[in-house]
Amino acid sequence: DVKVTQSSRYLVKRTGEKVFLECVQDMDHENMFWYRQDPGLGLRLIYFSYDVKMKEKGDIPEGYSVSREKKERFSLILESASTNQTSMYLCASSRPGNTEAFFGQGTRLTVV
Amino acid sequence: AQKVTQAQTEISVVEKEDVTLDCVYETRDTTYYLFWYKQPPSGELVFLIRRNSFDEQNEISGRYSWNFQKSTSSFNFTITASQVVDSAVYFCALSGVHTSGTYKYIFGTGTRLKVLA
Repeated sequence: DVKVTQSSRYLVKRTGEKVFLECVQDMDHENMFWYRQDPGLGLRLIYFSYDVKMKEKGDIPEGYSVSREKKERFSLILESASTNQTSMYLCASSRPGNTEAFFGQGTRLTVV
Repeated sequence: AQKVTQAQTEISVVEKEDVTLDCVYETRDTTYYLFWYKQPPSGELVFLIRRNSFDEQNEISGRYSWNFQKSTSSFNFTITASQVVDSAVYFCALSGVHTSGTYKYIFGTGTRLKVLA
């Protein structure tokens, strides 16, 4: 069974902390994505990567960075967490081209 | 600009009713793909269907059917004889080309479907 696994389902962090969200996929997919999901706003793309060490900014990259040192792992980093980054974060992976994406179960992050 | 609009924020139906979820998209690409995903309360988005822009045939899979109309830029999703297990948030998405030439997905805001017993 194909899988995208996010390291935590729920996280609570303090304002100003550096936060790491980890995502691992076992499908050998080239593409990986980080989205955040907020009520009424749907899924918004933060960053994506189409190869190891490659990254592209999505629609809302401010306040975030990413790392992809290995093909199967894509990390989202909040350099200094703020309360407006409280959200559901979803990781996804896909093969190249217009193929479907596979999603992880999501990480609900609360910044207090 | 590429955009996906799901105007229905929330729909409630009684079990066994049919329900249609609307999706309207905007793109200048001649080749593109459209998707529907289901997000149950567990949180993980589940892929339902992919349709390319050259294939306007309607598709049926069990109680699910999809109506793609290029003339109106719509890709609507119908659930026949709805069941409580259909309760979820449904997202329509468009596969678009990023400025770098790579592909990314553009999602609508989702429609929350509640099926009441």
